[in-house]
Amino acid sequence: NAGVTQTPKFQVLKTGQSMTLQCAQDMNHNSMYWYRQDPGMGLRLIYYSASEGTTDKGEVPNGYNVSRLNKREFSLRLESAAPSQTSVYFCASRSDYLNTEAFFGQGTRLTVV
Amino acid sequence: GENVEQHPSTLSVQEGDSAVIKCTYSDSASNYFPWYKQELGKRPQLIIDIRSNVGEKKDQRIAVTLNKTAKHFSLHITETQPEDSAVYFCAASIRPDSSYKLIFGSGTRLLVRP
Repeated sequence: NAGVTQTPKFQVLKTGQSMTLQCAQDMNHNSMYWYRQDPGMGLRLIYYSASEGTTDKGEVPNGYNVSRLNKREFSLRLESAAPSQTSVYFCASRSDYLNTEAFFGQGTRLTVV
Repeated sequence: GENVEQHPSTLSVQEGDSAVIKCTYSDSASNYFPWYKQELGKRPQLIIDIRSNVGEKKDQRIAVTLNKTAKHFSLHITETQPEDSAVYFCAASIRPDSSYKLIFGSGTRLLVRP
């Protein structure tokens, strides 16, 4: 039981490059989330997904796209990376039915130069 | 829109003293309020949570109180220890449509001085 797994752990991109952050959970959770964490800003919600095939915008969705491939996987894509997207990204999952805690992945530290 | 405000942003206490962190939320339909602890370089992990039908919950040295009327909730840590030093986040579960989203406060950096 691995919980929530994110890849990669670290990434450096040049401005304008694209990349996809991967996230998978093995807890049979219906809801999955992508957050970014910046100093002094807490965890800000980028996108979330309540079930396979559905996605919704969070607090800071601009510059990102997501895909809920199946119940296990939820990916975050940066089409044209900008220095303002330098951050630590966390994926999380939880069970809406039980309305309980969210479990987090280990995070991806992304630097855009 | 929905938001969660958290205060203070930093808190320094002497070992053995108590620490209190406060949060307010905007959506009166919020019904679940978790608190997370994040150590340096690690992922956030749940330390305690409370549901809207309960006013207080305790787990050893930590407790959470909820005032639904005022829309605020607080984390209380008693007999603080150096290992309590970390960043703490409050959050509120909000359901604007058919799905939940979990909105976090901006975090409190707690330093426990030995």
